[in-house]
Amino acid sequence: AQSVTQPDIHITVSEGASLELRCNYSYGATPYLFWYVQSPGQGLQLLLKYFSGDTLVQGIKGFEAEFKRSQSSFNLRKPSVHWSDAAEYFCAVGAGGAQKLVFGQGTRLTINP
Amino acid sequence: NAGVTQTPKFRVLKTGQSMTLLCAQDMNHEYMYWYRQDPGMGLRLIHYSVGEGTTAKGEVPDGYNVSRLKKQNFLLGLESAAPSQTSVYFCASSSTGPRTETQYFGPGTRLLVL
Repeated sequence: AQSVTQPDIHITVSEGASLELRCNYSYGATPYLFWYVQSPGQGLQLLLKYFSGDTLVQGIKGFEAEFKRSQSSFNLRKPSVHWSDAAEYFCAVGAGGAQKLVFGQGTRLTINP
Repeated sequence: NAGVTQTPKFRVLKTGQSMTLLCAQDMNHEYMYWYRQDPGMGLRLIHYSVGEGTTAKGEVPDGYNVSRLKKQNFLLGLESAAPSQTSVYFCASSSTGPRTETQYFGPGTRLLVL
């Protein structure tokens, strides 16, 4: 069965520092991968997605993610975080014949001023 | 264009009571989904629908029923609420399957079962 692991439950970084959120997936074939962001009290918004092609994917709000098949990873990065990036981030995989996404547990990001 | 809306935003139930959560989308999407979100567990799929009149079970369907009588609406029912169903419920929709298209999420319904 497909699964997604986000090893870091909570990360704190200083404003202006770089960020990397980790995501590992389990799936036999080429997965379709997503990163969503959830601001407090809000629904989820898509940051970026990978289906095929270039393994470095650009998203909204200055985020990017790199698909590494050999490591079964799809880590999210941002070179310089802003206070408004404080939120919870979810990695998800869409795979197989089922019409569904499997989400990771989420990583809560706190920004120090 | 409101996107995906959910009604109500917050509800408190007593154990054994029933209720229906309404999800509506105005994007003419074929696929709709109900998730629950619990701390440390991400989002888990309860039920989903690939078109009007169709429904299917997701990862955690027990205790819930759904209906998709109209394309734009997807209802989630709790026949006899239990404290374990205290959660935040999200509805989502997409124009095709999640393999190729973005799922658009509603703002959520916070449910407390006492």
